[in-house]
Amino acid sequence: DVKVTQSSRYLVKRTGEKVFLECVQDMDHENMFWYRQDPGLGLRLIYFSYDVKMKEKGDIPEGYSVSREKKERFSLILESASTNQTSMYLCASSLPNPTLQETQYFGPGTRLLVL
Amino acid sequence: GENVEQHPSTLSVQEGDSAVIKCTYSDSASNYFPWYKQELGKRPQLIIDIRSNVGEKKDQRIAVTLNKTAKHFSLHITETQPEDSAVYFCAASSNFGNEKLTFGTGTRLTIIP
Repeated sequence: DVKVTQSSRYLVKRTGEKVFLECVQDMDHENMFWYRQDPGLGLRLIYFSYDVKMKEKGDIPEGYSVSREKKERFSLILESASTNQTSMYLCASSLPNPTLQETQYFGPGTRLLVL
Repeated sequence: GENVEQHPSTLSVQEGDSAVIKCTYSDSASNYFPWYKQELGKRPQLIIDIRSNVGEKKDQRIAVTLNKTAKHFSLHITETQPEDSAVYFCAASSNFGNEKLTFGTGTRLTIIP
């Protein structure tokens, strides 16, 4: 059973703080993704990674960075949190293309409030 | 880049009736179209997907249809039940999902008992 976990379910941070959101998957998936989910806007891709130390920008990367030092772990970093980054953050992982088993499996989400 | 539009944003149907959610996409290179269901407080989960070489796919009470010419695809739920109440997201991808998924904005489906 695929398991994607996120380090926190709820976080409260202050404007300007550096924030780390951690995601771990236990299925040896190559692909990992970070989304934010906001009402009326659906899921928007922030960053994704196809391999260790590899990252690519998604649709809304501004104000975020990522780190993938190990295959199972993908971290999202808010360098200087702002109130407009208050959101639900979802991590996902999947197998690569040739397997045709590309379902993205999501973590439970981290609800971040920036004050 | 890809743009996915989803309608309606909210949908209420009587238990036992059918529900239809529609999505359109902009990138003709898109070839993979999954649907995710997100129950309240839970993570999104894949419920059905379709590839561009297929026009329709069915799994028990849910089905998805794809019209490549018109660039739209739809989710059909028949004989709706209270547990179908959730937010549904469509998505599109141009490389069987290896490339990023572009999601629609979601449809909140409420089944009225």
